[in-house]
Amino acid sequence: GAVVSQHPSWVICKSGTSVKIECRSLDFQATTMFWYRQFPKQSLMLMATSNEGSKATYEQGVEKDKFLINHASLTLSTLTVTSAHPEDSSFYICSATRDRGSPLHFGNGTRLTVT
Amino acid sequence: AQSVSQHNHHVILSEAASLELGCNYSYGGTVNLFWYVQYPGQHLQLLLKYFSGDPLVKGIKGFEAEFIKSKFSFNLRKPSVQWSDTAEYFCAVRVLSNTGKLIFGQGTTLQVKP
Repeated sequence: GAVVSQHPSWVICKSGTSVKIECRSLDFQATTMFWYRQFPKQSLMLMATSNEGSKATYEQGVEKDKFLINHASLTLSTLTVTSAHPEDSSFYICSATRDRGSPLHFGNGTRLTVT
Repeated sequence: AQSVSQHNHHVILSEAASLELGCNYSYGGTVNLFWYVQYPGQHLQLLLKYFSGDPLVKGIKGFEAEFIKSKFSFNLRKPSVQWSDTAEYFCAVRVLSNTGKLIFGQGTTLQVKP
């Protein structure tokens, strides 16, 4: 089956630094990738939709200057948390799909801890 | 506003009891519907999905769900729960008229007492 790889699986960074998370579709071309955030004991909240070769579409309330998303190729999207703060500590999950009619495949997530 | 709503936030059942978790959505147009489960400390796992056809869908581990279009509902059921069903359950709706984004409900914590 289709595999989506997320890297790193966990990261600890200091407040004020930036962290980049990668999401790769290993065996299919993903025209669209989605980025979610999940706080402890809460649901997955969609942050943004990333389309290859175009600007990401952010959900209401998500700061696009803080959460930079790049989808430069059909197999890679990156999420950069800029100037991270402790409140950004969360579980970040990506999902990828060939197109809106194709199945969505999830990565295993990245646990970000900002100290 | 468009949303996915799960009515029960925390459900406590004894083993062998029947389960029904409610899910309603407010998106118009064509949607795909999903139920996911997340066991403590683990990743999301797909329980079942509905795309079209028979509105009663069967999933893994004895779960089933019924799509009622007129009620915009997709409730999850299991006739007899087990202690191992203790987990977080998420209903999700994929909006095909848009980018195909998947929107999750708030989640329901199920605790099954042995």
